[in-house]
Amino acid sequence: DTAVSQTPKYLVTQMGNDKSIKCEQNLGHDTMYWYKQDSKKFLKIMFSYNNKELIINETVPNRFSPKSPDKAHLNLHINSLELGDSAVYFCASSPDGTQYFGPGTRLLVL
Amino acid sequence: AQRVTQPEKLLSVFKGAPVELKCNYSYSGSPELFWYVQYSRQRLQLLLRHISRESIKGFTADLNKGETSFHLKKPFAQEEDSAMYYCALGDGYGGATNKLIFGTGTLLAVQP
Repeated sequence: DTAVSQTPKYLVTQMGNDKSIKCEQNLGHDTMYWYKQDSKKFLKIMFSYNNKELIINETVPNRFSPKSPDKAHLNLHINSLELGDSAVYFCASSPDGTQYFGPGTRLLVL
Repeated sequence: AQRVTQPEKLLSVFKGAPVELKCNYSYSGSPELFWYVQYSRQRLQLLLRHISRESIKGFTADLNKGETSFHLKKPFAQEEDSAMYYCALGDGYGGATNKLIFGTGTLLAVQP
């Protein structure tokens, strides 16, 4: 199946922990993104990478560190999790501006 | 500043009724506009991109630069159209700097 995939689908953790979310796309796209969808369903871009290079960092706290080992993968590591980090995190990839989204990772910080 | 406004949080219609989901944008350049749909607890899926001028699942949207609008329309709503609809503005021209600026979304509820 050609798609954007994310793991895990659900993540429940305690405040203060460090966690990672992984994203992979087999669409051959050069650009990948992380978006955050908050409890009011508002979507906002966090990061964008093009061919393993950081292009966009939308004033996200530096507790969030994206890493792109190759152009098919963009992982998101979050240190010292806070209650306000609870959200759905979507990965996306794009060849030309149209973005193709992963299924989302639902993060709940207790 | 670039902005997308979807004035309705919720739009409730009966099956078979026409649907119009409003979207207005603010952008200094030539806009690239999209509609995405998110069915309950699923991923966002591209519905329409203005440059393709396609009709998907009976939905159409026309870019009106004079009114800075990109409203989504369907003549006859179906129950399976019930979902969250997001209007989005592409900031860039398909290059590496392109990011999507989303509106706050409109929940469409189609009643039987």
